[in-house]
Amino acid sequence: SAVISQKPSRDICQRGTSLTIQCQVDSQVTMMFWYRQQPGQSLTLIATANQGSEATYESGFVIDKFPISRPNLTFSTLTVSNMSPEDSSIYLCSVLWSNTEAFFGQGTRLTVV
Amino acid sequence: KQEVTQIPAALSVPEGENLVLNCSFTDSAIYNLQWFRQDPGKGLTSLLLIQSSQREQTSGRLNASLDKSSGRSTLYIAASQPGDSATYLCAVRGKTSGSRLTFGEGTQLTVNP
Repeated sequence: SAVISQKPSRDICQRGTSLTIQCQVDSQVTMMFWYRQQPGQSLTLIATANQGSEATYESGFVIDKFPISRPNLTFSTLTVSNMSPEDSSIYLCSVLWSNTEAFFGQGTRLTVV
Repeated sequence: KQEVTQIPAALSVPEGENLVLNCSFTDSAIYNLQWFRQDPGKGLTSLLLIQSSQREQTSGRLNASLDKSSGRSTLYIAASQPGDSATYLCAVRGKTSGSRLTFGEGTQLTVNP
């Protein structure tokens, strides 16, 4: 299995600012993903973080708003840029272990005021 | 496009009851199905993974079944405890969606002492 450390666990941010969320995995994995979970809803995939190349974004998500870095096979960051109250959500990173089972970090609970 | 539905949306039971959570999906071309547990404001914990070739998986008091042809999975929880209170999510990894997971909306379970 994979152990994922995600930080910060929560934050309260002013509108117009940016927050960078970090995701560290205890072993090398090919596939890393970032999800958003809005209040009372299920998970929506933001993007797939690709090592050594640009992330692949899902429909409705753009790089300018959610820039992603993936410098190596154990680490990724997601930045939520120019935040508004509508960005208040739980953000989760996930990995696909052995190309089979998905594991998730503890989540980052973001509140934008 | 894969769609995943979970029934019921919420369930409240007394401690000790056996219970069944349901998950249905529209496209039977899947690699696997996973059941997750989510505590409020937290990340997801993987409970059980069922490969497309398998019929069921068991872990402790949990048993998950898969009927791929009818697009259904059930999660059976035996002798429920207050500590089982959480939201349970099922997710499928479809053959036509690469490595993406498609999530249901979840079942919010409350086990009353």
